[in-house]
Amino acid sequence: AQKITQTQPGMFVQEKEAVTLDCTYDTSDPSYGLFWYKQPSSGEMIFLIYQGSYDQQNATEGRYSLNFQKARKSANLVISASQLGDSAMYFCAMSVRDAGNKLTFGGGTRVLVKP
Amino acid sequence: DSGVTQTPKHLITATGQRVTLRCSPRSGDLSVYWYQQSLDQGLQFLIQYYNGEERAKGNILERFSAQQFPDLHSELNLSSLELGDSALYFCASSVSLGSPTDTQYFGPGTRLTVL
Repeated sequence: AQKITQTQPGMFVQEKEAVTLDCTYDTSDPSYGLFWYKQPSSGEMIFLIYQGSYDQQNATEGRYSLNFQKARKSANLVISASQLGDSAMYFCAMSVRDAGNKLTFGGGTRVLVKP
Repeated sequence: DSGVTQTPKHLITATGQRVTLRCSPRSGDLSVYWYQQSLDQGLQFLIQYYNGEERAKGNILERFSAQQFPDLHSELNLSSLELGDSALYFCASSVSLGSPTDTQYFGPGTRLTVL
């Protein structure tokens, strides 16, 4: 079975600083994808960044980067230069080929950016 | 805007009733996924359709059913509603069926309240 663990239920970050959100995963399937989604208070789920299990380089998308450490089974999200609009819930998720590519989600981390 | 549409945005109904949630995937996407987000169980996969056929089932109750139509829109039917069915229901879509690297794009969700 697949499992995603996000150990930080909530955190504060100062505007313009960087923040790292932790995510560890567990699967025995060698082919998987790791995703981060943002859920603002309005409720929608916004895709941020993706990392494939065979990707050699860490993914980056604008201010978002994914610190992928395969041996440690971690896929931490780094948000650089935090903005007030980054205040939201952040979910780490995984899809696995043998599980039909459904997404398995972690419990989420709530980020509050302070001015 | 992810390109995935869901209607209605909000739904308030009574226990024992039946409701239908509707989803239109992004243009070109053949896979549709349904997820439930509740306070006690987090985000859980319910069911997946690909090009009109059911392809994977998760923790979907027998009182719930879904289908995907020839125009690729999907409906999730919830019957004999209970208080515990109150949740945010998401539809997501992706291009294909078989790759864990496919990104799933989420609709805005339907917030169901059962009174």
